[in-house]
Amino acid sequence: DGGITQSPKYLFRKEGQNVTLSCEQNLNHDAMYWYRQDPGQGLRLIYYSQIVNDFQKGDIAEGYSVSREKKESFPLTVTSAQKNPTAFYLCASSSPGRLLETQYFGPGTRLLVL
Amino acid sequence: AQSVTQLGSHVSVSEGALVLLRCNYSSSVPPYLFWYVQYPNQGLQLLLKYTSAATLVKGINGFEAEFKKSETSFHLTKPSAHMSDAAEYFCAVIGAGSYQLTFGKGTKLSVIP
Repeated sequence: DGGITQSPKYLFRKEGQNVTLSCEQNLNHDAMYWYRQDPGQGLRLIYYSQIVNDFQKGDIAEGYSVSREKKESFPLTVTSAQKNPTAFYLCASSSPGRLLETQYFGPGTRLLVL
Repeated sequence: AQSVTQLGSHVSVSEGALVLLRCNYSSSVPPYLFWYVQYPNQGLQLLLKYTSAATLVKGINGFEAEFKKSETSFHLTKPSAHMSDAAEYFCAVIGAGSYQLTFGKGTKLSVIP
């Protein structure tokens, strides 16, 4: 079955530590996205990538970094500069340029600070 | 620039009653509009989308939404609520030619037996 996988489901970060969230898709989509979800805030865009080796900042990129070395993978690193990282992180992908543009979401990773 | 406003962060309905979740949008270009559903601790699942083909859009699980340009609205309805409809619902907008999906803050639907 095609889809998006995110791992781990839960992640714990210690003070001053960088952590990396994994996102993999086998939908052959060109574009991938990372969102942060906080209660009552909806989803906010962190980074997005339209093609391999290219990515752009979203609305809340500070304290985060990404890479896009392969079409299937778009890992997100939460750096120590992100002072309030506790949130639910969602990865999505889409096929830009097609008539019915739709973003498909993974199951999410919940990040907690120890 | 585009934005989405969902009226009511929490809506409660009785089982079998009409579900109405409100969404108003603003967009400087003709929009594509989406409704997504999220069950606890899960990702988002697409319910339905408007892409200018028809103003009344039917989705999964008996939901539908009507695009009203004059009211800049895209409200979600279901004639008869089921216990399994309890979830959080998000309205989202994307401008034609844009990559950025803008979400509303969500409406949590509770269904009372």
